[in-house]
Amino acid sequence: RKEVEQDPGPFNVPEGATVAFNCTYSNSASQSFFWYRQDCRKEPKLLMSVYSSGNEDGRFTAQLNRASQYISLLIRDSKLSDSATYLCVVNVMYSSASKIIFGSGTRLSIRP
Amino acid sequence: GAVVSQHPSRVICKSGTSVKIECRSLDFQATTMFWYRQFPKKSLMLMATSNEGSKATYEQGVEKDKFLINHASLTLSTLTVTSAHPEDSSFYICSARGGGRSTDDTQYFGPGTRLTVL
Repeated sequence: RKEVEQDPGPFNVPEGATVAFNCTYSNSASQSFFWYRQDCRKEPKLLMSVYSSGNEDGRFTAQLNRASQYISLLIRDSKLSDSATYLCVVNVMYSSASKIIFGSGTRLSIRP
Repeated sequence: GAVVSQHPSRVICKSGTSVKIECRSLDFQATTMFWYRQFPKKSLMLMATSNEGSKATYEQGVEKDKFLINHASLTLSTLTVTSAHPEDSSFYICSARGGGRSTDDTQYFGPGTRLTVL
């Protein structure tokens, strides 16, 4: 089982729709969580960190469920510019160091 | 926000040559830098983790003698692809973490270097 798993998609939704992605992680020692977005042929860019209490940034809401070991990203009122691959990122603590693990990404395509 | 630059952004070279890619943190000191590789339509794959002043830690399957990493200062890490071959053609991305915000786990990515080996 992969340490971080995401549905690869693609999710194809109309502009204005609400779309949600989940990401599951296997290591309970995971400490911090992030969502990045990556546009085609570009580097990943931090979208938002994910806090235990959940957090919102404009149209984007991220939530963490430690008991079930998943994080989610909700995008409301989707725009054409939201089309990208969304990467779930988990920072796992091991005995002597931490390691950042990327999910393989969920592709989102917003249609007019 | 933190800015990371990479140079060059694109390089085309002949098989057998070596290519050096630079990664710089412009407005913060990066105690740790990471090198990733991404093939088309594939996910990011971590190649190695580089801590300033010490040897890089390579992921399983990554040849340390082929991918030389130097992290000589808190703002600069270099990746040298030695004796490049066509199968090394990929998108190489660095990221940086750390500095003044010591509790910040966030990785800030450079814009990437697209390597094409003929």
